[in-house]
Parts: sequence; C-alpha cells; structure tokens
Amino acid sequence: NAGVTQTPKFRILKIGQSMTLQCTQDMNHNYMYWYRQDPGMGLKLIYYSVGAGITDKGEVPNGYNVSRSTTEDFPLRLELAAPSQTSVYFCASSYSSGVLLGTGELFFGEGSRLTVL
Amino acid sequence: TQLLEQSPQFLSIQEGENLTVYCNSSSVFSSLQWYRQEPGEGPVLLVTVVTGGEVKKLKRLTFQFGDARKDSSLHITAAQPGDTGLYLCAGAWNQGGKLIFGQGTELSVKP
Repeated sequence: NAGVTQTPKFRILKIGQSMTLQCTQDMNHNYMYWYRQDPGMGLKLIYYSVGAGITDKGEVPNGYNVSRSTTEDFPLRLELAAPSQTSVYFCASSYSSGVLLGTGELFFGEGSRLTVL
Repeated sequence: TQLLEQSPQFLSIQEGENLTVYCNSSSVFSSLQWYRQEPGEGPVLLVTVVTGGEVKKLKRLTFQFGDARKDSSLHITAAQPGDTGLYLCAGAWNQGGKLIFGQGTELSVKP
C-alpha cells in the first residue's frame, strides 16, 4: 500500500498566488488531517475531517480551506499566499477518532515544502 | 493555551552514550504519544502511554509516563547513529482537547 501520498513535494509561490496541496490515502481511513511544521514549533493542526463531507478547524486555520468529497482525498487550499505560510505541510490519516483523543495512530505523508516569496 | 514543552531542543552525542528527552505540561494528559521523524519524511508513531506511572520499552528506548500524567520521558540506551532524528511528544487533555505536539527534540548521534 502507498499509505498517505502528498503532492507536490516542493513548491515556490509568489505573494498573493493560490494553490492546492493534494493528499490521498489508500487505507480507507475515515479521519484525515493537515498539519504545518515550522522549525522549533512542532506540528500545528490546520484542519481535520472525520469523514467525507465533514471538516473542522484546527489550531491555525486562517488562510486555508479544505474539502472532503471522498474518503480518499483531502486537499488543502491556500488562497492569497503570504510569507507566513512558508512551511512544511503534512497530511495524515487515522483509522479511529482516537487520534483526536490522543490514543490513535496518525499515519503521515512525506510532506510538502512550500515557500512563499 | 495548553502547551507541551520538550527539552532539550537539540542534543548531539557520541555513539554509545545514553540520553533522556523530557516532555512537560502544567495540565494533566489523558494520554501521550512519542513520534520519531527522519529528514524528508513524516513522523512515525513509537509509543502511546495512557496510565500514570506506565513504563514501556521498545528495544533500547524506554518511555515513561509521570504518575501525575503531566510529564513523560524518553530514554535511549547506547545511542546509535540510526537513532538520529526529530523526536516529538504529543498529548491530549481530558477536556476533549485535540492532540497537541511539543516543539520537538533534534537528536544527532555521531559515530
């Protein structure tokens, strides 16, 4: 199995541009998440989804949008990119809601490194 | 805002040495996890602890959950270069809070 696949791996954007980070998983997991990782800051939850058609905000949702039309896919949209959105973005999935309670296992993709200039 | 503080942030040691990484909070966790992340990859779960005082071992790695469930530690015995990576703790609080990550400990083990 491929697990969680993210594209693109690297991208450079100009201020004000928009783009979509793609994420797909083949493990039939209901729960999917988007995190951003900045040096010395750990991982911050941007948005998450508990199933197709259902999404909710995490700790740092401003400047981002998500949709979940299928179980497999959970794209992250950046509108009007800003330098503060320069980061490494990780998509993750889990089988159970336990992740939200701290007991389930998160499966991560390899990350997408985004630079906004 | 609930915070998880990890220490140290950076650790550079020689192969064969022992080390301990700490994860602390002022709040009580319902559970705590440790992840390891290698460069260019996503984090991978090492362990989940849920009971105060719990100790789990994974080969040369020993994980401990504090009795009061406010802190945790990761101890590596006889570190090897393959242990190099970013170690992240992640915890959830009893009040239905979502999983929160610490800032990470960057470990470098030199041959």
